[in-house]
Amino acid sequence: EPEVTQTPSHQVTQMGQEVILRCVPISNHLYFYWYRQILGQKVEFLVSFYNNEISEKSEIFDDQFSVERPDGSNFTLKIRSTKLEDSAMYFCASRARDNTDTQYFGPGTRLTVL
Amino acid sequence: GESVGLHLPTLSVQEGDNSIINCAYSNSASDYFIWYKQESGKGPQFIIDIRSNMDKRQGQRVTVLLNKTVKHLSLQIAATQPGDSAVYFCAEFTPNAGNMLTFGGGTRLMVKP
Repeated sequence: EPEVTQTPSHQVTQMGQEVILRCVPISNHLYFYWYRQILGQKVEFLVSFYNNEISEKSEIFDDQFSVERPDGSNFTLKIRSTKLEDSAMYFCASRARDNTDTQYFGPGTRLTVL
Repeated sequence: GESVGLHLPTLSVQEGDNSIINCAYSNSASDYFIWYKQESGKGPQFIIDIRSNMDKRQGQRVTVLLNKTVKHLSLQIAATQPGDSAVYFCAEFTPNAGNMLTFGGGTRLMVKP
């Protein structure tokens, strides 16, 4: 069964460093998302991406964040200068077609900023 | 602002019993709802979904009920098993309000053997 994959599973970084979180969405999907979940809290939307451009972003997704689909399979989230409060689980999700198709989530990357 | 919320943060049931997890949503324009299961250290796993033109949908051991009148969503799990222990989130999709899901706060289901 196709699934969303994410690497690395755990990333530890120093405050102020850049990190890139990687995702491989399900191959025939067209819409891609990043969400985050701070420990013990609910899942929060960050950004959605379609047709090689951002279609929606939340207030969390400020200038320190960027997304890219560098090739036909990978979807990346970059944080340019990490802050302590960026520590969270970051989930990638993808969906196939219209607005009511299910979003399938990857296993997440745990980002720890020291 | 609009939000999706859950009535019970923790639900403890005996193995074999039925479980009911509830969710209240406040955006009447939402037209698609999903229940996700999240086990410790893992990503949300799709369980079942329902569109707003339905009031009930059944899957394997799970049923989702939608009451649009009171903006309430529930997940029923039949014959709950230890493997069902997890946090359950409801999520709503609102057309023309951002291309994303809005998640509720989650309910932890604990199944006692």
